[in-house]
Amino acid sequence: GAGVSQSPSNKVTEKGKDVELRCDPISGHTALYWYRQSLGQGLEFLIYFQGNSAPDKSGLPSDRFSAERTGGSVSTLTIQRTQQEDSAVYLCASTIVRGAVGETQYFGPGTRLLVL
Amino acid sequence: RKEVEQDPGPFNVPEGATVAFNCTYSNSASQSFFWYRQDCRKEPKLLMSVYSSGNEDGRFTAQLNRASQYISLLIRDSKLSDSATYLCVVNVRTGGFKTIFGAGTRLFVKA
Repeated sequence: GAGVSQSPSNKVTEKGKDVELRCDPISGHTALYWYRQSLGQGLEFLIYFQGNSAPDKSGLPSDRFSAERTGGSVSTLTIQRTQQEDSAVYLCASTIVRGAVGETQYFGPGTRLLVL
Repeated sequence: RKEVEQDPGPFNVPEGATVAFNCTYSNSASQSFFWYRQDCRKEPKLLMSVYSSGNEDGRFTAQLNRASQYISLLIRDSKLSDSATYLCVVNVRTGGFKTIFGAGTRLFVKA
């Protein structure tokens, strides 16, 4: 079956512009995560959705960042007034909870954002 | 203190070597444990789950020590293609689950 897809795969934008990143999770996965990864660094948690609600937004770095999820499926991450420090790979993961075993995350290929 | 800690490495080993990575976690409510692999400029991918009894998948063996709160990954007969970053992942039970990734350990296998 299809995995997690993200679009665009690459995005170059000018400082101050808004960008919108999209994530299509695996069908039937109820939870969805957004992460950011700068070059050579670990994953930085941004936000988590369970269904359409976001119980944990603690990782969003500033109020320029927002995310939504509709229909329990597609999610969009929006960055307003982009700054050069926003340049990174933005990764989306959808998850399936296997009872008491826990949740396994499946990642999309990421969107590489470069802010000039 | 980070909730999940790993030695960042890098580990530089020759082909055929055995290499082991450890990971420690701080939350005693941690329920499930995994190792992920991330190749350069690629997304993380699940390598294996870690069960209480330990588990093996070919050249890879994962072990869990709940008393000491650490998990390990052993790679035998290293291949060039094993070069990657290995991420330790912990699920913490919080009603649902909260997933926490370690920063990763970099492995370079040399010919």
